[in-house]
Amino acid sequence: EDQVTQSPEALRLQEGESSSLNCSYTVSGLRGLFWYRQDPGKGPEFLFTLYSAGEEKEKERLKATLTKKESFLHITAPKPEDSATYLCAVPGSARQLTFGSGTQLTVLP
Amino acid sequence: NAGVTQTPKFRVLKTGQSMTLLCAQDMNHEYMYWYRQDPGMGLRLIHYSVGEGTTAKGEVPDGYNVSRLKKQNFLLGLESAAPSQTSVYFCASSYGTGRTEAFFGQGTRLTVV
Repeated sequence: EDQVTQSPEALRLQEGESSSLNCSYTVSGLRGLFWYRQDPGKGPEFLFTLYSAGEEKEKERLKATLTKKESFLHITAPKPEDSATYLCAVPGSARQLTFGSGTQLTVLP
Repeated sequence: NAGVTQTPKFRVLKTGQSMTLLCAQDMNHEYMYWYRQDPGMGLRLIHYSVGEGTTAKGEVPDGYNVSRLKKQNFLLGLESAAPSQTSVYFCASSYGTGRTEAFFGQGTRLTVV
């Protein structure tokens, strides 16, 4: 059974204070790892897919990396508009996703 | 350019009532999914479909039924609602091949009293 664990559950940063979110996973065969952003009252919004250890992807202030056991979402010089819940997930054979519980990020001005 | 649309956005039901949630996607995706999201539990898969006319159970299927009569629509039914089904429901869809990411609707907030 696929399992995904995210830490920390919540993170408060000052604007400009860089940090990282962690996603550790246990799967029978990795078909990719997804990062999503979810704003309050909205559905998850796709950010990145990583497929193999060593792969990195970037989007604005966000960079996602992948190892054989975990993924990190690095946030560089965050702004208040980066405040959201960040979810990671792994897909099954029918692309159905197993999600972690998420990290709720708050960036204070 | 609607993407994934869920209807309704909010609903209050009495225990024992039935209802159907509608999900429609305009991206010609093969795969569609229903998830529920509860505080502290994250997103959990209820049912999914890998094509028109097919459905399969997810992690938490009890108390729900689904149908995929048309490729663009995926219906989630509650035959006899229970307070434990109070949740936010999300529909998602993805391609069957190639790009693998799923696209989500805006959610339906359901309260069963």
